[in-house]
Amino acid sequence: AQSVAQPEDQVNVAEGNPLTVKCTYSVSGNPYLFWYVQYPNRGLQFLLKYITGDNLVKGSYGFEAEFNKSQTSFHLKKPSALVSDSALYFCAVRPHGSGNTGKLIFGQGTTLQVKP
Amino acid sequence: GAVVSQHPSRVICKSGTSVKIECRSLDFQATTMFWYRQFPKQSLMLMATSNEGSKATYEQGVEKDKFLINHASLTLSTLTVTSAHPEDSSFYICSARSGAHEQFFGPGTRLTVL
Repeated sequence: AQSVAQPEDQVNVAEGNPLTVKCTYSVSGNPYLFWYVQYPNRGLQFLLKYITGDNLVKGSYGFEAEFNKSQTSFHLKKPSALVSDSALYFCAVRPHGSGNTGKLIFGQGTTLQVKP
Repeated sequence: GAVVSQHPSRVICKSGTSVKIECRSLDFQATTMFWYRQFPKQSLMLMATSNEGSKATYEQGVEKDKFLINHASLTLSTLTVTSAHPEDSSFYICSARSGAHEQFFGPGTRLTVL
């Protein structure tokens, strides 16, 4: 079965420290990979995507993610965390063969808590 | 950037009534719209995929007669929860896609059924 795993329910970091939110996937073919952020009682905001090309992808608000095909991972990173980065983060995959619908499979979500 | 709106943002209704939620793409034409359901502190569960002018494709386990989806135009899709019950209380989120790879999400609708 195709799936996306975010192994950490919560990640705690101090402001100014680097952060990593992990994501691994299990899908066939070469998927498209995405990160979204959700603030309380709000919809999801797009952060970044990997389609093809350079494995290191840069996105909004200083976030970046590295695609690792051999490890089937797409971890989200930021060199210096801000308190305002505290939110719920979702990794998502669009499997190969999802056709024109672009159906996404979401991970469970990881709560990022950045403390002053 | 692409903007997707949802209306209403919050609705409280009595058990047995029907509730309609609108999803609009404000600055682009959405060939495909998606409806998700999210329980507290959980991930998004895809309910259905709707393409303009055709019937929605429902995910396994989602009752199509319970959750009516209409995608009448390239900028509007509606989700109607028919004969709502307390177990239907949830956060409903729509997203829209125009042909680009990413989906753009609405702000969500909090449904509470008493």
